Amino acid sequence: EDQVTQSPEALRLQEGESSSLNCSYTVSGLRGLFWYRQDPGKGPEFLFTLYSAGEEKEKERLKATLTKKESFLHITAPKPEDSATYLCALSSSGSARQLTFGSGTQLTVLP
Amino acid sequence: GAVVSQHPSRVICKSGTSVKIECRSLDFQATTMFWYRQFPKQSLMLMATSNEGSKATYEQGVEKDKFLINHASLTLSTLTVTSAHPEDSSFYICSAIPTMGDTQYFGPGTRLTVL
Repeated sequence: EDQVTQSPEALRLQEGESSSLNCSYTVSGLRGLFWYRQDPGKGPEFLFTLYSAGEEKEKERLKATLTKKESFLHITAPKPEDSATYLCALSSSGSARQLTFGSGTQLTVLP
Repeated sequence: GAVVSQHPSRVICKSGTSVKIECRSLDFQATTMFWYRQFPKQSLMLMATSNEGSKATYEQGVEKDKFLINHASLTLSTLTVTSAHPEDSSFYICSAIPTMGDTQYFGPGTRLTVL
């Protein structure tokens, strides 16, 4: 059974204080590992798709990396507008493109 | 690119009435769309997978006669909550995958309140 575990559940950072969010996973055959950002009362916003171990992708202050067991979302010099819940999800080769979600990390960046 | 819209964004209805929610992929065609439900401070719960031109596949525990899904075109899927009751009040979110892609793009969600 595919599983996704995110840690920490909540993270409070000062503006400019870099950190990383963790997504551990077990899957029979990885089709894709996805990161989304969700603001309160809104649908998830797509950030990155990673397909294979060693792959990295960047967008502004965010960088996502992937190993065979984990993915990290690195946030460099965060700003208050980066405050949101970050969701990790995976799609496996036998899942008909359905996603298995982690429970999310609620990030708060204080000014 | 890859924009998904939902309508309405918010709906309040009386118990016993039916409510239809539309999900549209605005700039791509989507063979597959998904419907989720999200409770406060919880992650998304998949309700059903909708494939264009065929019957939806419902997750275990989701009543297909209560949550009617129609995916009549490559850009539109609808969810109808029939005979809504207060326990159906929730945040409903749809997503769509481009026909040749792997990434799900989500709509902004619909807040349903049943009085």
